[in-house]
Amino acid sequence: QVHLQESGPGLLKPSETLSLTCTVSRFSITNDFYWGWIRQSPRKGLEWIATIYHSGKTFYNPSLRGRVTMSVDTSKNQFSLKLSSVTAADTAVYYCVRVDVVVVVSAGHFDHWGQGTPVAVSS
Amino acid sequence: EIVLTQSPGTLSLSPGDRATLSCRASQRVYSNYLSWYQQKPGQAPRLLIYVASSRAAGIPDRFSGSGSGTDFTLTISRLEPEDFAVYYCQQYGSSPETFGPGTKVEIK
Repeated sequence: QVHLQESGPGLLKPSETLSLTCTVSRFSITNDFYWGWIRQSPRKGLEWIATIYHSGKTFYNPSLRGRVTMSVDTSKNQFSLKLSSVTAADTAVYYCVRVDVVVVVSAGHFDHWGQGTPVAVSS
Repeated sequence: EIVLTQSPGTLSLSPGDRATLSCRASQRVYSNYLSWYQQKPGQAPRLLIYVASSRAAGIPDRFSGSGSGTDFTLTISRLEPEDFAVYYCQQYGSSPETFGPGTKVEIK
């Protein structure tokens, strides 16, 4: 059974850069699946952030494009998220997920989730 | 982007009842790429249904999905105590993937 675990700081100040890492166990990230990030807040509900393939191919939510970067480290079986210039609106629980992507539409559903990590942005 | 609307917002039912949850899309969902998730307090969402009607691994057959185009339904045939939760639909027929606001199924 695939296991995903998020790690990263829980508290940031406005304008800082959020950095999160997801460690995948019991499954190689070089297998034929994509990997992604989703966040959940009371204000915006569930929101897809970004998706990456182990080759480095990425898809980003247009609403966050310009602030978000995903990367993958196959040697550590990890992938990461960076979100720059955070504001209070970025306060949410962040989940890393395995994505079953439909390549023709560059979108997918999320079949395995990490437990989530809360992130708060406050001065 | 496609906007999803879920109804009702809250469903008050008793164990053993049948639950019918609706998800409506602002435009046609390509190839019925629509999924359903269950979320319990303090937990991550769990995939129940994908491609509108295919059950995910390990999901009991009391959960079923139907629909096409813009209108989709999740049905729970007989509610078990562990089924009281919030349910979300999600479309992935076009990018960006989007979620509905959720339907809470609560004990009456």
